Amino acid sequence: GAVVSQHPSWVICKSGTSVKIECRSLDFQATTMFWYRQFPKQSLMLMATSNEGSKATYEQGVEKDKFLINHASLTLSTLTVTSAHPEDSSFYICSAWTGTSGTYNEQFFGPGTRLTVL
Amino acid sequence: KQEVTQIPAALSVPEGENLVLNCSFTDSAIYNLQWFRQDPGKGLTSLLLIQSSQREQTSGRLNASLDKSSGRSTLYIAASQPGDSATYLCAVVHNYGQNFVFGPGTRLSVLP
Repeated sequence: GAVVSQHPSWVICKSGTSVKIECRSLDFQATTMFWYRQFPKQSLMLMATSNEGSKATYEQGVEKDKFLINHASLTLSTLTVTSAHPEDSSFYICSAWTGTSGTYNEQFFGPGTRLTVL
Repeated sequence: KQEVTQIPAALSVPEGENLVLNCSFTDSAIYNLQWFRQDPGKGLTSLLLIQSSQREQTSGRLNASLDKSSGRSTLYIAASQPGDSATYLCAVVHNYGQNFVFGPGTRLSVLP
């Protein structure tokens, strides 16, 4: 199956700093990538939808100036958490959609990035 | 707005039992439904994907059914094992190329 990687797998940073998380589709081109956030003991919630070459679409309540998303190529999307605060500590997971007429229109998930802001 | 619920929230069973996890969604106009497994602190493992036109999918000891008209899906796990202990998430896609909407999950513990 298709593989999606995320880097880093975990990161610890000080409050006020910025952190960049990369999401890569390794063996396919992803027209669309989705960014989800998961707080402890909660389910995944969509943060934003990232389309290659265009601006990301953010869900209600997600600050676009705080969570900068760039999808500059068909294999890479980045999420930058700017001026991170402890409440941004969470598990961030991306998924990539092939955008083809494949059998199941599957989306493939990255392994996630654990962000801890001190 | 699509909402996905899962029952039970948590389940603890002895090894060897057959069990059923339930998922409900409010908008029946889905494109597909997928069951995932998530181990603590880890990412998602895809278990079964059911297209809207399908009624069920099977993989090994797992069987997932879909009743789109009633907005329900069940995940059946046969002969449960301690290694099945994890959180099981149900998620739906409303339309081609759109994001998943996830349920809150069922935390399963299978006791040896």
